[in-house]
Formats: sequence, C-alpha cells, structure tokens
Amino acid sequence: GEDVEQSLFLSVREGDSSVINCTYTDSSSTYLYWYKQEPGAGLQLLTYIFSNMDMKQDQRLTVLLNKKDKHLSLRIADTQTGDSAIYFCAENPQGAGNMLTFGGGTRLMVKP
Amino acid sequence: DSGVTQTPKHLITATGQRVTLRCSPRSGDLSVYWYQQSLDQGLQFLIQYYNGEERAKGNILERFSAQQFPDLHSELNLSSLELGDSALYFCASSVGLNEQFFGPGTRLTVL
Repeated sequence: GEDVEQSLFLSVREGDSSVINCTYTDSSSTYLYWYKQEPGAGLQLLTYIFSNMDMKQDQRLTVLLNKKDKHLSLRIADTQTGDSAIYFCAENPQGAGNMLTFGGGTRLMVKP
Repeated sequence: DSGVTQTPKHLITATGQRVTLRCSPRSGDLSVYWYQQSLDQGLQFLIQYYNGEERAKGNILERFSAQQFPDLHSELNLSSLELGDSALYFCASSVGLNEQFFGPGTRLTVL
C-alpha cells in the first residue's frame, strides 16, 4: 500500500482551474514533488517545493503545502486539453537515501 | 526529453528467463534510481546507486539485482521471471538530493 494518498480521478472543463490534492505521511520529507505522466510516456518533473515553504508558483502551476496537516496540492490555472494526464505527488522520506515514495496518481481529464 | 535514456523500450520474454535493462543517466548525474510501475503496486522504488555504490534499497526482490558502472550507466537484472514481474521499469537520475529526472521506461511483458 501507499503512504502517500491521492484521489483517483478529476474532471474539469478547459479553461477552468484544476486542483489535485495529496496527503503524505513523513513530516521529515525535505522536498515534495509533482510529476506528470502522459499515456505511454515516462514521468515528467513538474515542480517541487522545499518543506520550509508554504507556496510555490511557477507559471500556471501553484503548489500549496500545509505541513501541519501533511497536505500538498497542485493548482493548474487555465487548464488545457494538453494537461490531461496522470499526476503523481511524491515525498522524499528522510533516512531513506534519496528514494521517492509516490502516491497512486490522479487522472486528470480535461473536457473541451 | 529528460536526458535519461533507457533500452530496450519494450521487452517480451517467458517465465523463468533473465533480462537486463539498461539506463544511461543525464550527463553529470552521479545518482541512478530504479523504479517499478505496475497496476497493482503503483510506482515503487527499487534501488539507488551513487557513483557506483549502492546507496538505498527499497522493495527489490532477491531475484533482481543492479549495478552502476564506472561510466555511470546502470543495469537492472531480473531473473527467474514470473508473470507478476510484468511492469514498466523506470530509471531516474539526479545530480543532488532533490530533482530526479526519469527516463521513458522499459515495458517488460512476461508470458
């Protein structure tokens, strides 16, 4: 089973904002990550946030981190059909080398 | 393109066989990681090498082994293959302790 949890599916309309949520377990994780996987492709690093930050913005992407609740979210503004993919959050537990523990992924479907 | 290359892209083999998956990290990256992605287990960390030395081990079966060579490329060896080993195997590399860049993966099918 996974220590990092995500909802399975999210559907939005093109132009709307998407918010993908994630809860993690290891409060000592130094970095938390968002990866994107398109069909038949590898994992693309979208963004990451250092654990002492609350928010990070990178163009259409906004990452929010609530360390108290161990909650991470990814907001995609002005969602496009090309954003349709599976989004994975991942934590980097301390004392575990540099391994990543991934959530199960959230499938984002963007309707035109 | 992440700069991480993996070969082969697809591999079909029979139960009981042995295969070798190859990974070349991004130029300058000393760390290589192997992950397995399957429908039932999701994405799981297998093993990490740093500059030729094993650094961390995850849920890697005893039938699986890996190594990192002096030129920093890595190989993952899977032996006595079972049907349940069918999965996507990803290699990732990093220069430091944060960003890991993933290759396109090798899809292994065991028949």
